Amino acid sequence: AQSVTQPDIHITVSEGASLELRCNYSYGATPYLFWYVQSPGQGLQLLLKYFSGDTLVLGIKGFEAEFKRSQSSFNLRKPSVHWSDAAEYFCAVGAKLVFGKGMKLTVNP
Amino acid sequence: EAQVTQNPRYLITVTGKKLTVTCSQNMNHEYMSWYRQDPGLGLRQIYYSMNVEVTDKGDVPEGYKVSRKEKRNFPLILESPSPNQTSLYFCASSFGGGNTIYFGEGSWLTVV
Repeated sequence: AQSVTQPDIHITVSEGASLELRCNYSYGATPYLFWYVQSPGQGLQLLLKYFSGDTLVLGIKGFEAEFKRSQSSFNLRKPSVHWSDAAEYFCAVGAKLVFGKGMKLTVNP
Repeated sequence: EAQVTQNPRYLITVTGKKLTVTCSQNMNHEYMSWYRQDPGLGLRQIYYSMNVEVTDKGDVPEGYKVSRKEKRNFPLILESPSPNQTSLYFCASSFGGGNTIYFGEGSWLTVV
């Protein structure tokens, strides 16, 4: 069965600091992998996705993610966080989108 | 403009009063799905549809029904709503496979 684990429920970082959000998945084949962001009171916006090819994926808003098959991971990174990045982040796997439980990011000025 | 449109966006209803949340997409997508979002639980799939007249249960289908009579519409039906169905609901659509899934803006449903 497909599943996604986001180990961190809540992360607080300072503006300008680097960020890495962890995502581990369970999937029977080469997965489709996604990161979505949800700002307070808003819908879901796709940050980036991985289907195949280059394991480093670049997304919108300066985010990137790296697919590591050996670790069943698809961690999201950003070199320098902005206050507007405060939101909830969801990792998802598969064509039918199985979501993790989400991770809330707080950014301190 | 590519859109997934849900209605109503906000609704307060009473236990047992049947309600329907509509979902419509203008992208000719085959795949459509409904999710509910609850704090600490992420998004959980209720039902999905691979095409017209083809629907299947997701992870939390109890208390919900769906239909797919036309490609563009995928309504979510709560025959007898209960307070534990108070949640934020999202409709989504795509061309299937690993194609980008588009989400509606969400429907806040409160059952009292």
